[in-house]
Amino acid sequence: EDQVTQSPEALRLQEGESSSLNCSYTVSGLRGLFWYRQDPGKGPEFLFTLYSAGEEKEKERLKATLTKKESFLHITAPKPEDSATYLCAVSRGNRDDKIIFGKGTRLHILP
Amino acid sequence: SQTIHQWPATLVQPVGSPLSLECTVEGTSNPNLYWYRQAAGRGLQLLFYSVGIGQISSEVPQNLSASRPQDRQFILSSKKLLLSDSGFYLCAWRTGGTQYFGPGTRLLVL
Repeated sequence: EDQVTQSPEALRLQEGESSSLNCSYTVSGLRGLFWYRQDPGKGPEFLFTLYSAGEEKEKERLKATLTKKESFLHITAPKPEDSATYLCAVSRGNRDDKIIFGKGTRLHILP
Repeated sequence: SQTIHQWPATLVQPVGSPLSLECTVEGTSNPNLYWYRQAAGRGLQLLFYSVGIGQISSEVPQNLSASRPQDRQFILSSKKLLLSDSGFYLCAWRTGGTQYFGPGTRLLVL
């Protein structure tokens, strides 16, 4: 069964303390892996799309990487404004157009 | 650039009342459109998706329905709301690869 698992469920870091969020997936034919940021009471905000193993993308303090089985979202020297829930999702290689989402990692950066 | 609108932003409805949530997309043509529900502390649950006008696929059996009367308009409806329909409803659109979300509607059924 296709699925996306994110870990940890929640993470508390001190400001400036770098860390990584994990997204492991099992899908039949990966077409794309997506990272989103969601603030409380708002819709998810798109961050990155990764298409093939070895690909990396960066945006400010965030860097996403992809292997054949998992993706990491690295957060370097985070600030309190980076606190949010980070969602991972994958698009499958079959003919439907659905995206499978993980349950997210709640990140809290302490000042 | 593309923009997605949802309204209302917040809604409080009594059990048994009807529901209509609307989503419109600007700046793109023939998008795939989606309705999700996000319950507190849980992941995104896909409710419906549409690849074109009048074409609706349902993911879960429930008392909700969806319609797509125009290319960039997607409507979520119910004839009689249940307490379990409370949640955060998100509309999304997609052309090609990435999916983009609207701001969401918070629904509280009392």
